Amino acid sequence: DAGVIQSPRHEVTEMGQEVTLRCKPISGHNSLFWYRQTMMRGLELLIYFNNNVPIDDSGMPEDRFSAKMPNASFSTLKIQPSEPRDSAVYFCASSPNTGEASNQPQHFGDGTRLSIL
Amino acid sequence: AQSVSQHNHHVILSEAASLELGCNYSYGGTVNLFWYVQYPGQHLQLLLKYFSGDPLVKGIKGFEAEFIKSKFSFNLRKPSVQWSDTAEYFCAVNDGTSYDKVIFGPGTSLSVIP
Repeated sequence: DAGVIQSPRHEVTEMGQEVTLRCKPISGHNSLFWYRQTMMRGLELLIYFNNNVPIDDSGMPEDRFSAKMPNASFSTLKIQPSEPRDSAVYFCASSPNTGEASNQPQHFGDGTRLSIL
Repeated sequence: AQSVSQHNHHVILSEAASLELGCNYSYGGTVNLFWYVQYPGQHLQLLLKYFSGDPLVKGIKGFEAEFIKSKFSFNLRKPSVQWSDTAEYFCAVNDGTSYDKVIFGPGTSLSVIP
């Protein structure tokens, strides 16, 4: 089991640039989550998908953030244009839940450490 | 809205001391409860979970947690901590009804001094 795979592991870019973070969930998992972790705000849920459909994007901070899941094995989180306050570690997680009452834990990727200069 | 609170922001213990980290949640119905651990520089990993049955659950690395429904609590315990337990600990709750959304607590940072 390869686990949840995120790329890149580190990203440093200048403000105003477009940033794309990628995630490959564990095969067979049908729920996918994007989180942002900072010292100030802790772990925040940005958006999650079930069967490739966005279920709740209320955590997306603003229109500069967008996420897609074109198929069951791939998702992207895009920031355009990026700002220094977007600097954080972004985690992707997946779980095998069915979209109903669930007790299965989430499996996290290693995260992308994003620094916007 | 659901919320999860953790009693301590930062805990410092000596090796072999006993540990108890508090967690309370706000949802009054059926819940699924989790504790995750994040070692320095790593991703979150599941320590243990509760969804039904015996309210005292055992997890990896000697951790256990007790679900007390009347107190809306799910405290994490370990009788004797080790230096390698230094990490951030997150309590999390899923209300068991609305898809798979999990609410994480703010985390407790544990530092174990050799």
